[in-house]
Amino acid sequence: GNSVTQMEGPVTLSEEAFLTINCTYTATGYPSLFWYVQYPGEGLQLLLKATKADDKGSNKGFEATYRKETTSFHLEKGSVQVSDSAVYFCARPLFWAGSYQLTFGKGTKLSVIP
Amino acid sequence: GAVVSQHPSRVICKSGTSVKIECRSLDFQATTMFWYRQFPKQSLMLMATSNEGSKATYEQGVEKDKFLINHASLTLSTLTVTSAHPEDSSFYICSASLGTGVGANVLTFGAGSRLTVL
Repeated sequence: GNSVTQMEGPVTLSEEAFLTINCTYTATGYPSLFWYVQYPGEGLQLLLKATKADDKGSNKGFEATYRKETTSFHLEKGSVQVSDSAVYFCARPLFWAGSYQLTFGKGTKLSVIP
Repeated sequence: GAVVSQHPSRVICKSGTSVKIECRSLDFQATTMFWYRQFPKQSLMLMATSNEGSKATYEQGVEKDKFLINHASLTLSTLTVTSAHPEDSSFYICSASLGTGVGANVLTFGAGSRLTVL
């Protein structure tokens, strides 16, 4: 099927620690891939995206590289801050019923402690 | 940039009453809008796809008579939770598509509406 699978949380890190949240996808082709972030009490926001293999999306110090060999799009950040505490969702588009929608991973909650 | 406005952000209602949530695309026309529901500690669950000028397409297991969706214009879709019960308490999020191509299609999300049914 067409889906995304991401590591389950919660993840708790100290400030300035290195972050990796794994995401793998299944697809018949090479879909665009996204990371969304949900800060406490807010809706989803697009964090970064990659539209083709070997692309690297980056934003706010976060990076993710689209790797077709491993069908992965892991999210990384070299030094997390308390303000990065949020829930992170990996997603990919799915064409269904004549339009495109996103299918999400289950989300990974990140808590960064001072 | 594209903005999707959702209103109200929070609503508390009594059991048995109906609640309407609005989703507006502020600076673009959205032929298609999507309604999601987020359960605690879980990911978003797509409830239905709303198409302007036609009936919404509901996901399996979603009661269309309970969750009425109307997409009367290219900038407005509404979700009405009819005869709400405490189990309907949840975070409802809408999104709108900016384009039709799969390569770089990105959905813009509203900020969500938290419904609490007493």
